Amino acid sequence: AQSVAQPEDQVNVAEGNPLTVKCTYSVSGNPYLFWYVQYPNRGLQFLLKYITGDNLVKGSYGFEAEFNKSQTSFHLKKPSALVSDSALYFCAVRDRETGANNLFFGTGTRLTVIP
Amino acid sequence: NAGVTQTPKFQVLKTGQSMTLQCAQDMNHEYMSWYRQDPGMGLRLIHYSVGAGITDQGEVPNGYNVSRSTTEDFPLRLLSAAPSQTSVYFCASSYNTGNTEAFFGQGTRLTVV
Repeated sequence: AQSVAQPEDQVNVAEGNPLTVKCTYSVSGNPYLFWYVQYPNRGLQFLLKYITGDNLVKGSYGFEAEFNKSQTSFHLKKPSALVSDSALYFCAVRDRETGANNLFFGTGTRLTVIP
Repeated sequence: NAGVTQTPKFQVLKTGQSMTLQCAQDMNHEYMSWYRQDPGMGLRLIHYSVGAGITDQGEVPNGYNVSRSTTEDFPLRLLSAAPSQTSVYFCASSYNTGNTEAFFGQGTRLTVV
């Protein structure tokens, strides 16, 4: 069975400081991992994904994420937070080896960047 | 290129009424899916389709039907609305079911009274 955990409902960070949004996953095989962002009253927008290769993945708007297989984690990071980064962030996983079609989402982490 | 288009954006239903949420994509994606988003629960998969004529149940399918007569369209039908179906509904599409990302519509906010 697949699952995703986002242990923090809320993350607050000061503008200009680095930010981290945590995600851990569970799959029976190897994962495809994704991060999405949701702004108020909008759909989800794709930020970045891990497929294979380099464990550090770079995505949109200066975000990056690090895949750690031993810790089954895929934390989202940004070196310097902007107020405009304030949004709801979702981590998602798909099991590449079972042939499962579906994306499983975490419960989301609300990021607030304080001016 | 419109991407994924959902209609309506907002809807209020009375308990027992039926309705169809529309979803259309213009990216020629084979895979489409419906999710509901509830506070503290993230997104949960309702139904999905891997191509025209093929649909299957997701995590929370009860009370919903889908069909996929064309590649472009994937409507979600509420058969007899219940207050527990009050939620925000998102349609998504992707090129395949492997390593490609999903594209989401802007959502339909449904309230059942």
